[in-house]
Amino acid sequence: KQEVTQIPAALSVPEGENLVLNCSFTDSAIYNLQWFRQDPGKGLTSLLLIQSSQREQTSGRLNASLDKSSGRSTLYIAASQPGDSATYLCAVSKGRSGGGADGLTFGKGTHLIIQP
Amino acid sequence: EAGVAQSPRYKIIEKRQSVAFWCNPISGHATLYWYQQILGQGPKLLIQFQNNGVVDDSQLPKDRFSAERLKGVDSTLKIQPAKLEDSAVYLCASSFIRFFAVGNYEQYFGPGTRLTVT
Repeated sequence: KQEVTQIPAALSVPEGENLVLNCSFTDSAIYNLQWFRQDPGKGLTSLLLIQSSQREQTSGRLNASLDKSSGRSTLYIAASQPGDSATYLCAVSKGRSGGGADGLTFGKGTHLIIQP
Repeated sequence: EAGVAQSPRYKIIEKRQSVAFWCNPISGHATLYWYQQILGQGPKLLIQFQNNGVVDDSQLPKDRFSAERLKGVDSTLKIQPAKLEDSAVYLCASSFIRFFAVGNYEQYFGPGTRLTVT
């Protein structure tokens, strides 16, 4: 059974700092990995998707890396801003034998606060 | 492009009552998912549809939960009867299938329905 762990559970940093969120998973046979952002009382917003054959993806100030063999991913946020405050969730899916992907298995998230 | 739509946004019911949630996925997305998110946890997959068919319902409590997807578009999730531990946010997501394409199976989520069972 796939398990996803996110460290740290919570993080508070001053505005402007660069930071790294960590995600690990127990079964390396994944189809893809997604990072999401969740604001209080809201749904999930997809930030980055990394296919299993890729090593990293970038979007603006965000960079996500994937090391499938070691079961790890990191989300790097550059020059953090108060608007980045949210819960960040990592999730992985597994390929299905008939083609396509399973639903996502999520970690519990990292609650991030950026202090102005 | 319109996102995933869900209704209602909030629902309060008493235990042993029944409740239904509705989801309309992004146009053209063949795969639809329902997740349950309990406070402080990551979402947990309940059921996955591909077009009209169920792909995975291994974590759906079938004695009280049911779901259907008519004509491969809208979907409803029902709980009957509800228990206190069903209090959670119910999230619907959808994804497209384009084999060998970047972004294949990327999931897009709706705003969720917050259910409180008293």
